Amino acid sequence: TQLLEQSPQFLSIQEGENLTVYCNSSSVFSSLQWYRQEPGEGPVLLVTVVTGGEVKKLKRLTFQFGDARKDSSLHITAAQPGDTGLYLCAGEGGNAGNMLTFGGGTRLMVKP
Amino acid sequence: GAGVSQSPSNKVTEKGKDVELRCDPISGHTALYWYRQSLGQGLEFLIYFQGNSAPDKSGLPSDRFSAERTGGSVSTLTIQRTQQEDSAVYLCASSPSSGPYNEQFFGPGTRLTVL
Repeated sequence: TQLLEQSPQFLSIQEGENLTVYCNSSSVFSSLQWYRQEPGEGPVLLVTVVTGGEVKKLKRLTFQFGDARKDSSLHITAAQPGDTGLYLCAGEGGNAGNMLTFGGGTRLMVKP
Repeated sequence: GAGVSQSPSNKVTEKGKDVELRCDPISGHTALYWYRQSLGQGLEFLIYFQGNSAPDKSGLPSDRFSAERTGGSVSTLTIQRTQQEDSAVYLCASSPSSGPYNEQFFGPGTRLTVL
């Protein structure tokens, strides 16, 4: 069974602070996706990283895929209240084929 | 265009009753997934349909859970003899194909409460 562990599970910060969310596994994935979910809605894809060591930026969000393709991180610079939500990483490939294995999520609250 | 829709948005039922949850995927998407999410946690995979192939049922937690997909489009997840531990948000997602790097498009979910 492939597992993706996210940390921290909960994070409450003030507007303007920086934060990093981690997604770790002992398994190798062919790609890793990050989703954001707001209350009452389904997750929405933010980014897909494919190559080991890859870094992608989406405005104030920076996503990195580990060199060994076993882990990933999401860094948010100068967090805004609009960043509040549940962040989910999902790995594709390995034993699960093209299926996605989701992490447990990081619930972020950004206070104004 | 229309996204993935699910109905009902909320369902409250009594323990032991059967429930049916519906998912309308994005038109043309061949892959359809059902997940379960408890208390804002991560997603637990339940079942996967791809075109006319036999579904991957490996995530169904018990034989009380079943799902079908008619005509390669609409899907229904049925839970028989519901238990309190079945209470969760049930999410449906569709994808253009089963190939790699495909984004999954999620519906808003059905919140199931078993009393």
